[in-house]
Amino acid sequence: DVKVTQSSRYLVKRTGEKVFLECVQDMDHENMFWYRQDPGLGLRLIYFSYDVKMKEKGDIPEGYSVSREKKERFSLILESASTNQTSMYLCASSFFRQGHYGYTFGSGTRLTVV
Amino acid sequence: QQQVKQSPQSLIVQKGGISIINCAYENTAFDYFPWYQQFPGKGPALLIAIRPDVSEKKEGRFTISFNKSAKQFSLHIMDSQPGDSATYFCAASEKRGATNKLIFGTGTLLAVQP
Repeated sequence: DVKVTQSSRYLVKRTGEKVFLECVQDMDHENMFWYRQDPGLGLRLIYFSYDVKMKEKGDIPEGYSVSREKKERFSLILESASTNQTSMYLCASSFFRQGHYGYTFGSGTRLTVV
Repeated sequence: QQQVKQSPQSLIVQKGGISIINCAYENTAFDYFPWYQQFPGKGPALLIAIRPDVSEKKEGRFTISFNKSAKQFSLHIMDSQPGDSATYFCAASEKRGATNKLIFGTGTLLAVQP
């Protein structure tokens, strides 16, 4: 069974800390994504990557950066965590086959910044 | 601004009833429209998807109706069951840079009462 694994289910960090969220996929997918999910706002795209060392900004990249040194791993970095970054973070990877885009999501990391 | 507008925010349906969730979009460049189902503590999972050259797609109890001229699409769940209780997200795919990204609606929390 294909998998997207996020390293932590729950994290509590202090304001100003540098935070790393890790995501690993075992499907050899080219594309990987980071979304944040907030009630009433749905899923909003932070960053995505279409190849190793390649990245593009999503709709809400401010305060975040990403790293993709290996195809299977995509990291989200909060340079200086703030309380408004308290959220559920979802990683996904995707493929394109037979006219359909298949996205597989991880189970999420619930981050609380205090 | 919300590129994919979803309604209602929440929905209560009796067991055996029909659940209907609606979405609307503005960007005519969208070329793929999936629906995702999310249970508590899990990431979203693909439920059913449609391309704009088709007006309807059915998979079991789940049907997508697509109206290209109105730029609207909807999910119908027939014979709704308590196990269908979840959050549902519509989405639309947009070409972005070297890949495609999904833009999500704000979600609908469905509760099916026994």
